[in-house]
Amino acid sequence: SQTIHQWPATLVQPVGSPLSLECTVEGTSNPNLYWYRQAAGRGLQLLFYSVGIGQISSEVPQNLSASRPQDRQFILSSKKLLLSDSGFYLCAWSGTDLNEKLFFGSGTQLSVL
Amino acid sequence: QKEVEQNSGPLSVPEGAIASLNCTYSDRGSQSFFWYRQYSGKSPELIMFIYSNGDKEDGRFTAQLNKASQYVSLLIRDSQPSDSATYLCAVQGDSGYALNFGKGTSLLVTP
Repeated sequence: SQTIHQWPATLVQPVGSPLSLECTVEGTSNPNLYWYRQAAGRGLQLLFYSVGIGQISSEVPQNLSASRPQDRQFILSSKKLLLSDSGFYLCAWSGTDLNEKLFFGSGTQLSVL
Repeated sequence: QKEVEQNSGPLSVPEGAIASLNCTYSDRGSQSFFWYRQYSGKSPELIMFIYSNGDKEDGRFTAQLNKASQYVSLLIRDSQPSDSATYLCAVQGDSGYALNFGKGTSLLVTP
């Protein structure tokens, strides 16, 4: 069966510090991968998605970036964190067909202070 | 940006009752619709999906879709206190892959 791993579970970072969140998927090949953010009192916001190695689509202009160095690895990064980057970051995967179901990792609660 | 609208709640129902959660969406071309359950501090968990007009039942859950009215609903029969959570409605987005989510409806089932 497929599993998705996301770490760390919680992270407290000072403003201006870098960020790296990692997500890996097991039990499937060539998944579509996604990063979402859920800020307090707001809905899930799509940040990036990827349909293959090196292929990244950005949905929201911001100081975050994403990379997919391997088929089942997805990384979210920032060079300098802002207060507004605080939130619950969720990695998800789906199959490659249209209208596929999304399955989420356990999430990272990021607090930028 | 395609919109997915949900009443934020909280919706309070007594144990054993039917909980009815509603969602409207703006993109008439959307083809797939999902309901996720999210407990506080946890990630969303898929509980139902529906692609065709009508009803789809799975255990105590029934999803209803009306594409003409751009309306999706989730019914939870015999509600239990463990059903207390936020329920997120999600609709296929522009890419055909990623989903657009509503802000969720908070459900409280009281013993």
